[in-house]
Amino acid sequence: ETGVTQSPTHLIKTRGQQVTLRCSSQSGHNTVSWYQQALGQGPQFIFQYYREEENGRGNFPPRFSGLQFPNYSSELNVNALELDDSALYLCASSLGTIAGGVTDTQYFGPGTRLTVL
Amino acid sequence: AQSVAQPEDQVNVAEGNPLTVKCTYSVSGNPYLFWYVQYPNRGLQFLLKYITGDNLVKGSYGFEAEFNKSQTSFHLKKPSALVSDSALYFCAVRAITGGGNKLTFGTGTQLKVEL
Repeated sequence: ETGVTQSPTHLIKTRGQQVTLRCSSQSGHNTVSWYQQALGQGPQFIFQYYREEENGRGNFPPRFSGLQFPNYSSELNVNALELDDSALYLCASSLGTIAGGVTDTQYFGPGTRLTVL
Repeated sequence: AQSVAQPEDQVNVAEGNPLTVKCTYSVSGNPYLFWYVQYPNRGLQFLLKYITGDNLVKGSYGFEAEFNKSQTSFHLKKPSALVSDSALYFCAVRAITGGGNKLTFGTGTQLKVEL
């Protein structure tokens, strides 16, 4: 196990609702990255937080937002849910620098399965 | 832009035989390459990475990968497959964007090891 935890494990929402997913990073890690994995696809990068600041964003609309807290845990918020938001949401923690440390490996949590009806 | 291609959706191999899962990449500058494995209803588990140095990288559970710069490939290998190796394997390349870093993943290769 990596020491990265995510909650909840599963979630069912209806279209238009809002959702918050949570991630606790591995002890000693200061960077959290969020990925969306649709069924049958590889994970797609949503954004990354380094020491409480957003540090890179993928091709996702602004209704996907996040936070990182002083203890380096993180939240992913999605507003105005759409059917296509149904996916496995993965959080990964790592020990990074602002420039991206070359040895920084991302360790993943078990994911949150979101279903939008 | 960075990209990863995993040309095989599924690889079947008999237990005890060697296995290879293929990966090619495209990236500006030096690539940092990773292999992850995903078991059903689980997150991704890190297997190994290439940063620099020796082209043959050894990782967890007897897996290894060979970096080939001229062919832009990073194939995953294991000398003797086990049934328990059956899982979904992802190759990823690391990009540095806007001062941070992200992993760009391939679409995955389902490995099935049969008795």
